[in-house]
Amino acid sequence: EVQLVESGGGLVQPGGSLRLSCAASGFTFRSYWMYWVRQAPGKGLVLVSHINIDGSDTTYADSVRGRFTISRDNAKNTLYLQMNSLRAEDTAMYYCSRELSSAGNGPRMDSWGQGTLVTVSS
Amino acid sequence: DIQMTQSPSSLSASVGDRVTITCRASQSINRNLNWYQQKPGKAPKLLIFGASTLQSGVPSGFSGSGSGTDFTLTISSLQPEDFATYYCQQSYSTPRSFGQGTKVESK
Repeated sequence: EVQLVESGGGLVQPGGSLRLSCAASGFTFRSYWMYWVRQAPGKGLVLVSHINIDGSDTTYADSVRGRFTISRDNAKNTLYLQMNSLRAEDTAMYYCSRELSSAGNGPRMDSWGQGTLVTVSS
Repeated sequence: DIQMTQSPSSLSASVGDRVTITCRASQSINRNLNWYQQKPGKAPKLLIFGASTLQSGVPSGFSGSGSGTDFTLTISSLQPEDFATYYCQQSYSTPRSFGQGTKVESK
């Protein structure tokens, strides 16, 4: 069974840092692109960052570029999001997801974690 | 970057109603369009990928259509468990992007 389990969220002051983790199991982690998607309270889904299979290609939302860093450890089957210089507007539930691609079908995020809540407040 | 626009932002419907949600991409994405359902306090769930392919386990009352820039999600007969928020997402290019969501509420 595919499982994605996020951790590392919590309450942090503006300007602070957090490191989110997403532990993957039940599939060959090193073969999948991975994503962080966030959802502010009462708002929609926003892609934060993605990373390819070996970490050589990443993208970031404009709102987090230069402050957040995505990485992965394929030996530990774990995805990370280092978040620095946190702002109130970063307050959200953060989900990790994997992207499945198959021959003849487009890529899709077929598995999601339960999310970890980040609250930025003084 | 590709922008995704859904309409309506919300709708009110009754059990048994036919519901249609539309999604428009800012440029052609071929058929690289996915639909997700999200219920309060839960992670999103993949419903449809490749514009029209039902994810395993998703009831057949859901269907998707479209290509290029215009797409539709249809619920043929709304069930009580279908009250939720629905998001489209393009997987044609990076960065991936989501529509703003459509909340389906009980009339």
